[in-house]
Amino acid sequence: AQKVTQAQTEISVVEKEDVTLDCVYETRDTTYYLFWYKQPPSGELVFLIRRNSFDEQNEISGRYSWNFQKSTSSFNFTITASQVVDSAVYFCALIRAGAGSYQLTFGKGTKLSVIP
Amino acid sequence: NAGVTQTPKFRILKIGQSMTLQCAQDMNHNYMYWYRQDPGMGLKLIYYSVGAGITDKGEVPNGYNVSRSTTEDFPLRLELAAPSQTSVYFCASRQLAGPGDEQFFGPGTRLTVL
Repeated sequence: AQKVTQAQTEISVVEKEDVTLDCVYETRDTTYYLFWYKQPPSGELVFLIRRNSFDEQNEISGRYSWNFQKSTSSFNFTITASQVVDSAVYFCALIRAGAGSYQLTFGKGTKLSVIP
Repeated sequence: NAGVTQTPKFRILKIGQSMTLQCAQDMNHNYMYWYRQDPGMGLKLIYYSVGAGITDKGEVPNGYNVSRSTTEDFPLRLELAAPSQTSVYFCASRQLAGPGDEQFFGPGTRLTVL
């Protein structure tokens, strides 16, 4: 069975602070994909990034960066210079590459509040 | 290109009533999914379909039924609504190409069963 753990239920930061959202996953598969989704207060799910298990390069996109470490089964997400618009629930998720359904296994999410 | 659409956006049901949540996508995606999101929880898979005429159970299928008669539509049926089915329901779709492909989500249906 696979599992995604986001230990931080809620985080509050003051605007312009940096913040890191943790994601730890469990899987027996050697090939898998990891995702981050953002759910703003309006409720929709917004895709942020995917990473396959063979690519451990860190990724940076503007103020967002992701650190993937297979050795610790972690795929952490950092927001630099946070803004109020970053306030949302962030979900980490996992897909097994060999599964027929390619369903997403989600963590419980981390609610980020950025205070002006 | 509307993407994934869901109707209704909100619904209140009485215990024992039935309803169908509609989901449609115009991207010609083969895979479609129904998830539910309970407060403070991640999404859990209810049912999925890999193409027209093919459906299968996910993690939490009890109390629900689905059908997939066309590529575009994937309705979710609640036969006897129960308070435990109060949740936000998301429909999603993806292309056939590979596991790393992004799932596109609809805006969600917020269902309350009283």
